Amino acid sequence: ILNVEQSPQSLHVQEGDSTNFTCSFPSSNFYALHWYRWETAKSPEALFVMTLNGDEKKKGRISATLNTKEGYSYLYIKGSQPEDSATYLCASRGSGGSNYKLTFGKGTLLTVNP
Amino acid sequence: KAGVTQTPRYLIKTRGQQVTLSCSPISGHRSVSWYQQTPGQGLQFLFEYFSETQRNKGNFPGRFSGRQFSNSRSEMNVSTLELGDSALYLCASSLLILDTDTQYFGPGTRLTVL
Repeated sequence: ILNVEQSPQSLHVQEGDSTNFTCSFPSSNFYALHWYRWETAKSPEALFVMTLNGDEKKKGRISATLNTKEGYSYLYIKGSQPEDSATYLCASRGSGGSNYKLTFGKGTLLTVNP
Repeated sequence: KAGVTQTPRYLIKTRGQQVTLSCSPISGHRSVSWYQQTPGQGLQFLFEYFSETQRNKGNFPGRFSGRQFSNSRSEMNVSTLELGDSALYLCASSLLILDTDTQYFGPGTRLTVL
């Protein structure tokens, strides 16, 4: 995988549902994986930064896991609420040279219906 | 603490003109990165500055340039504007004490090229 890829592209869930999205990134020369939440008309807001294989981070109802060997990360939202509606972006940073820049996926647009 | 500010917020230019966008980072942050967001694309990395030096550059033509001042404020310039340069331009700042430091995004400048 040369780019950062996110799936699904969009997702509609009902309030109270739990959901998860996937971020795939280049596993070679990996340095760090970032997750952001981007609400309409606002700035992207940082959720997590993860570096170690097997890392798990949690913030309220949102959690994320990281597998650096196979190059993927999952973001989980438990009991989705309408205020969780946003685009969720992941970004991978490689180690050294041109790989060092933060490369973003196209995001997963989550809509939570009340 | 004030967040990242970007000016102007909206801009309309015509093809062939040039434009300068400004970004003021969070106080104490020494790293500023610039990104371009176009419909259907993820955030595309333009460049990153740290202590007035360009640390990394994305795959954009030479018409895109930037600089950082001693107070960490940054400007981005696009010369000879093309229709395809219409986009949301975001800047992000970070402390960059550690390479895993979170980037904090500004509200963006919406550039429309007619």
